[in-house]
Amino acid sequence: QVQLVQSGAEVKKPGSSVKVSCKASGGTFSSYAISWVRQAPGQGLEWMGGIIPIFGTANYAQKFQGRVTITADESTSTAYMELSSLRSEDTAVYYCARGEVVCTGGVCYANDFDYWGQGTLVTVSS
Amino acid sequence: SYVLTQPPSVSVAPGQTARITCGGNNIGSKSVHWYQQKPGQAPVLVVYDDSDRPSGIPERFSGSNSGNTATLTISRVEAGDEADYYCQVWDSSSDHRDVVFGGGTKLTVL
Repeated sequence: QVQLVQSGAEVKKPGSSVKVSCKASGGTFSSYAISWVRQAPGQGLEWMGGIIPIFGTANYAQKFQGRVTITADESTSTAYMELSSLRSEDTAVYYCARGEVVCTGGVCYANDFDYWGQGTLVTVSS
Repeated sequence: SYVLTQPPSVSVAPGQTARITCGGNNIGSKSVHWYQQKPGQAPVLVVYDDSDRPSGIPERFSGSNSGNTATLTISRVEAGDEADYYCQVWDSSSDHRDVVFGGGTKLTVL
């Protein structure tokens, strides 16, 4: 049974950084994509970016370019999302999600997200 | 960037059929996925690749996609179906390749 277990809740000051982890078990970590999706209070889902561990390179949503870094450690089947220059609007639940990799026209990407982590609440407050 | 438009809310009586739409420019050319999210829980995939169901999802959930509209249909709606529903696609139509979610639809079972 595939499980994605995320690190615990964080409270951060504006301007600081946060790093959230997502440990996978029960599947082949490297051959799937891991994406990060956040949800601000009362709002919808927002994709931040993702990584395909077997390729090692991450793809980021334009909105978060330069402020988010997504990495993966194949040896521990763990993905990480680091968000810097935090502001109050970054207060949200952050989810990791596993996606099947689809390759077409020389481009590989995450298709649907079949397994999700439990979510990590990040609160940004002075 | 690519935009997916969903109605904010849909209401249906128990036993009836709910239809939740997801509009996007030529969305019929993309694979659409649907997620159900209940309060305080992570999203759950209920339909993928327009109309396929993951194992464990009831046959009452079905999907279609054509032209500029994708639709999630929930037949014989039950109280337990009350949740937020999101559509999602992968967009490679611009220089930037992104996962895109619709704004979400709150399904209320009357």
